[in-house]
Amino acid sequence: DAGVTQTPRHEVAEKGQTIILKCEPVSGHNDLFWYRQTKIQGLELLSYFRSKSLMEDGGAFKDRFKAEMLNSSFSTLKIQPTEPKDSAVYLCASSFAGQDTQYFGPGTRLLVL
Amino acid sequence: QEKVQQSPESLIVPEGAMVSLNCSFSDSASQSIWWYQQHPGKGPKALISIFSNGNKKEGRLTVYLNRASLHVSLHIKDSQPSDSAVYLCAVNDNNNAPRFGAGTKLSVKP
Repeated sequence: DAGVTQTPRHEVAEKGQTIILKCEPVSGHNDLFWYRQTKIQGLELLSYFRSKSLMEDGGAFKDRFKAEMLNSSFSTLKIQPTEPKDSAVYLCASSFAGQDTQYFGPGTRLLVL
Repeated sequence: QEKVQQSPESLIVPEGAMVSLNCSFSDSASQSIWWYQQHPGKGPKALISIFSNGNKKEGRLTVYLNRASLHVSLHIKDSQPSDSAVYLCAVNDNNNAPRFGAGTKLSVKP
């Protein structure tokens, strides 16, 4: 079985650009999560979908971050406009539901200049 | 929102040592608690979870949960150099959205 796939693995953007990160969850999983990971803040939850319904939209991240789940096997995270402080690793994870194990993708490393 | 704190920040131990990692959380009504292992450049990998008070053992790993004291710990027996990684504690809130601690960086020296 394929694990969680994330593309691209690396992204470099200029300040003010729009970038879109992609995620394909494990086949059959109902829950999908987007996280941001930095050395200072650690892992922060950006968005959480259950069966394509948005359960959590990330509070402080709402204004420039938008996650969508277009179908059960594909999700995107759009950052618009990007700022240098958005430089981080963005991780996608999926699970069957509820208390189940989360499977993480390898992440996308974003650098905003 | 659930607050999760881990200690120590980093730990260096000799091969074969018992390792103890700590995690405290703020909401006694939280759901499952998970421990993840993360190697450099990789996504976290789930190791073990616990929901009820008490302990749970899987292989060289044992996890202890005390909801009254809002504390969970992970113990790694007979540590190996391959155990060197960052260990993350995650506490699921009532929506099953996980909140992560900052992590403990473990180095096991041969």
